[in-house]
Amino acid sequence: AQSVTQLDSQVPVFEEAPVELRCNYSSSVSVYLFWYVQYPNQGLQLLLKYLSGSTLVKGINGFEAEFNKSQTSFHLRKPSVHISDTAEYFCAVSRMDSSYKLIFGSGTRLLVRP
Amino acid sequence: NAGVTQTPKFQVLKTGQSMTLQCAQDMNHEYMSWYRQDPGMGLRLIHYSVGAGITDQGEVPNGYNVSRSTTEDFPLRLLSAAPSQTSVYFCASSPWTGESEAFFGQGTRLTVV
Repeated sequence: AQSVTQLDSQVPVFEEAPVELRCNYSSSVSVYLFWYVQYPNQGLQLLLKYLSGSTLVKGINGFEAEFNKSQTSFHLRKPSVHISDTAEYFCAVSRMDSSYKLIFGSGTRLLVRP
Repeated sequence: NAGVTQTPKFQVLKTGQSMTLQCAQDMNHEYMSWYRQDPGMGLRLIHYSVGAGITDQGEVPNGYNVSRSTTEDFPLRLLSAAPSQTSVYFCASSPWTGESEAFFGQGTRLTVV
């Protein structure tokens, strides 16, 4: 079975500061990795995904994530956040050998303060 | 482009009542799924479908029923609502590959009193 751990339930940060949201996963098989964002009162939308190749993945809105296989991590980073980045961020995995099923972490609420 | 459409957006039910949450997608995706979102627990998979006529259980299927008679529609039925089913429900669809992006509806906020 797969599992995803997001270590921080909430991350407060000042506008224009850098931020890192942490994600660790556990799986007995190779997985695809995703970050989704949920703005208030909306559904989820894809920020970025890692399928293979370069371990540094760039996504929308200036976000990037780095896949570290030895540490089974997929941390999300942004060098300078904006107020509009305030949202909940979810890390997710799906198995490479079958599946279409997304397993989500518990989410991290990013709160950007002026 | 409509994408994934969920109705209703809000619903209040009394304990023991039944209802159906509707989900429709216009992207011809094979895979559809239902999640519930609860504070501190992320999204948990309730049921999923890999095509018309094929459904299976996810992590938290008890108290819910699904069917998939067409590619477009994937309704979720609550058979006898309980307060523990108070949650936000999301429907998602994606093409038939694990590397593909999942598209989510706007959610249904359900309160069971």
